[in-house]
Amino acid sequence: DVKVTQSSRYLVKRTGEKVFLECVQDMDHENMFWYRQDPGLGLRLIYFSYDVKMKEKGDIPEGYSVSREKKERFSLILESASTNQTSMYLCASSFSGLYGELFFGEGSRLTVL
Amino acid sequence: AQSVTQLGSHVSVSEGALVLLRCNYSSSVPPYLFWYVQYPNQGLQLLLKYTSAATLVKGINGFEAEFKKSETSFHLTKPSAHMSDAAEYFCAVSDKGNNRLAFGKGNQVVVIP
Repeated sequence: DVKVTQSSRYLVKRTGEKVFLECVQDMDHENMFWYRQDPGLGLRLIYFSYDVKMKEKGDIPEGYSVSREKKERFSLILESASTNQTSMYLCASSFSGLYGELFFGEGSRLTVL
Repeated sequence: AQSVTQLGSHVSVSEGALVLLRCNYSSSVPPYLFWYVQYPNQGLQLLLKYTSAATLVKGINGFEAEFKKSETSFHLTKPSAHMSDAAEYFCAVSDKGNNRLAFGKGNQVVVIP
């Protein structure tokens, strides 16, 4: 089975802190994604990566950055957390030949106080 | 760019009744279509997918969906709702050659005993 593991299920941070959310997949997938999920807004794409050291902006990249130094790992970084970044963050990965089918992690629920 | 419309953020259904969740998409090329389910405090898991083979697609847990090109629809059904079907359901579309999925805003399904 494909496994996508997110490092933290629940985090509580203070405004202005730097936050790292890490994601690891074990199926040698080329593509990795970070989504944000908010009630009534569905899933919104923050950043994605098609290859090591490659990254592309999604629909809502402001206030976020990413890092992909190894194929299996994709990190989301909040340089200075703000209260409006309180949300559920979902990491996903996919194989380029699978029609775009995504495999998701369990999610990381971030609260910024 | 492709997009998905799911109407009715909350859907209530009686136990044993038909579950019908509507999904309409827009895409400039033949699409790949997906339904994902999200149980509380979990990530998304694939329910079923359409990849240009049979237009009636069967998925897990008794769900199925029919691709109708003339209606640009991919509605999800289950003949008899079970309490365990209470979850959020997302429809998603990708274009051939495009590794990005566009998601609808989701339907929160409540099953009434």
